[in-house]
Amino acid sequence: AQTVTQSQPEMSVQEAETVTLSCTYDTSESDYYLFWYKQPPSRQMILVIRQEAYKQQNATENRFSVNFQKAAKSFSLKISDSQLGDAAMYFCAYDGTYKYIFGTGTRLKVLA
Amino acid sequence: DTGVSQDPRHKITKRGQNVTFRCDPISEHNRLYWYRQTLGQGPEFLTYFQNEAQLEKSRLLSDRFSAERPKGSFSTLEIQRTEQGDSAMYLCASSLVSATNEKLFFGSGTQLSVL
Repeated sequence: AQTVTQSQPEMSVQEAETVTLSCTYDTSESDYYLFWYKQPPSRQMILVIRQEAYKQQNATENRFSVNFQKAAKSFSLKISDSQLGDAAMYFCAYDGTYKYIFGTGTRLKVLA
Repeated sequence: DTGVSQDPRHKITKRGQNVTFRCDPISEHNRLYWYRQTLGQGPEFLTYFQNEAQLEKSRLLSDRFSAERPKGSFSTLEIQRTEQGDSAMYLCASSLVSATNEKLFFGSGTQLSVL
């Protein structure tokens, strides 16, 4: 069975600085997708970034980028120039069989 | 595109009562998911539909839970004989399946409190 692990329950970053959130996963499949979702206090899940496993190039979306290491089954999220609005729970998710498995989340605090 | 809509936003019920939640996906989306999320945890998969067919159910979905998507559009999730352990946020999500680009869009959830 696939699993997703986020080992950092909470992280803090100074405004305008860079922070990296970690995620590892376990699967025997070769073709799958990985995601980072953001959940602010409103609890609305918002897609941050998506990575296809068959692509070697790391995905980027404005200030958000990933470091995808397929062999190591690692998928970290880097947030550059952190803003107060980035404060939220961040969930890493795996999709290999259409049912999306989520990690337990990392709470990101942004300090002014 | 009005996004994924869930109703109600909050539901308080007494143990043993039945509750029903509704989800309206994004109109052209053919896949619909239900997840459950408890405080401090990530969403847990419950079930999903492709059009009107329910393709997979989690073992978390006991026989007190039933989900339907009768016309391949909106979906309902019913919990019979609610228990305190059912208290959670119930999230609905939808997607448009294509060969290259599936993304889940979530609703705001229904927060269930069982007293």
